[in-house]
Amino acid sequence: NAGVTQTPKFQVLKTGQSMTLQCAQDMNHEYMSWYRQDPGMGLRLIHYSVGAGITDQGEVPNGYNVSRSTTEDFPLRLLSAAPSQTSVYFCASSYSKPQRGQPQHFGDGTRLSIL
Amino acid sequence: AQKVTQAQTEISVVEKEDVTLDCVYETRDTTYYLFWYKQPPSGELVFLIRRNSFDEQNEISGRYSWNFQKSTSSFNFTITASQVVDSAVYFCAHTYWDTGNQFYFGTGTSLTVIP
Repeated sequence: NAGVTQTPKFQVLKTGQSMTLQCAQDMNHEYMSWYRQDPGMGLRLIHYSVGAGITDQGEVPNGYNVSRSTTEDFPLRLLSAAPSQTSVYFCASSYSKPQRGQPQHFGDGTRLSIL
Repeated sequence: AQKVTQAQTEISVVEKEDVTLDCVYETRDTTYYLFWYKQPPSGELVFLIRRNSFDEQNEISGRYSWNFQKSTSSFNFTITASQVVDSAVYFCAHTYWDTGNQFYFGTGTSLTVIP
């Protein structure tokens, strides 16, 4: 049982490049989310999904796109990378929506640097 | 606005000392959940505990204990007889029944236990 798997673990991009951060979970979780973690700012929600085909914006969605075509996968796309997007990105999933109180399970993170 | 405040940015203690990490939340809901997560230096996020708004009993798990007080909107975390392995960043988080599609994280408290 792998839990939440994020790839890649590290990535360096040039300004203006695009890329996709992959996230997959094998727990049949309904809810998935992406956060970015920056020093002194904790975890900030980028986008989330309450089920296949349903996504919504979080606190800091600009510059990112998501889709949820299957229950298992929730990729995060950077459309045109900017240095301000240098961060550590975490994907998380939970069995049900947060209002049900289920804890989130986190992937190991992707450390992304934009030059 | 829904908010979680962890006023202590960094704490250092000497091994075997007790330490309390503070968490204060804002809510207009009567039904909500509170969480604590640990992020060790290796970077992963580990779920520690969940509490719902109807259960104000304190909880103890080994050297860890949690004090939930609705009257002060606080959910504090105490580590007794701290160990070097407790060195980590600790995050408090909150979800709400009414606006239940998001977790709200505090900015974290970095704990260093000095041998």
